[in-house]
Amino acid sequence: DAGVIQSPRHEVTEMGQEVTLRCKPISGHNSLFWYRQTMMRGLELLIYFNNNVPIDDSGMPEDRFSAKMPNASFSTLKIQPSEPRDSAVYFCASSRLQGMRETQYFGPGTRLLVL
Amino acid sequence: GENVEQHPSTLSVQEGDSAVIKCTYSDSASNYFPWYKQELGKRPQLIIDIRSNVGEKKDQRIAVTLNKTAKHFSLHITETQPEDSAVYFCAATPYSGGGADGLTFGKGTHLIIQP
Repeated sequence: DAGVIQSPRHEVTEMGQEVTLRCKPISGHNSLFWYRQTMMRGLELLIYFNNNVPIDDSGMPEDRFSAKMPNASFSTLKIQPSEPRDSAVYFCASSRLQGMRETQYFGPGTRLLVL
Repeated sequence: GENVEQHPSTLSVQEGDSAVIKCTYSDSASNYFPWYKQELGKRPQLIIDIRSNVGEKKDQRIAVTLNKTAKHFSLHITETQPEDSAVYFCAATPYSGGGADGLTFGKGTHLIIQP
């Protein structure tokens, strides 16, 4: 079974540019999460979807961030315009309800550097 | 919202000794408490989890205990080995069974196993 797939794995961009991060959840999983990891703030939940519907986006830092899940096998996180403080590792995770267990499986992450 | 505190931030133990990492949470509705291990440059991976209807769970050298009254839970690693060196994160969520909820993570504990 393929795990959660994220692309790109590394992204270097200049301040003001648009950045799009992509995620393919594990097949059959119906929940998808976007997290951000920095040294200062640790692992933070940005937004999550259940059955492709955004449930809670209260963790999205500001209007420059947006996320979509057009179908069960694809999600994007977009930053426009990007700023140096957005530099972080962005993880996508997915899960599936299985007898009251709902383990979240993380993708390899996208390491974003905004110059 | 939920707030998870984790201690210590760094823990150094001799190989073969036990390690204990403690977390407290604030939201009494939280009922699912996973622990993730993250090696340098890698994704977080679930190592053990516990639900609020259980006070303790064990898996080989790893155990987790939960005290719902006091709102704290702990990770215990016995007979530590060099490969246990990593950053460990606790998390909490008010998982309802009707759909996923995002995880609130502690700030992490850097566990160092001294040979």
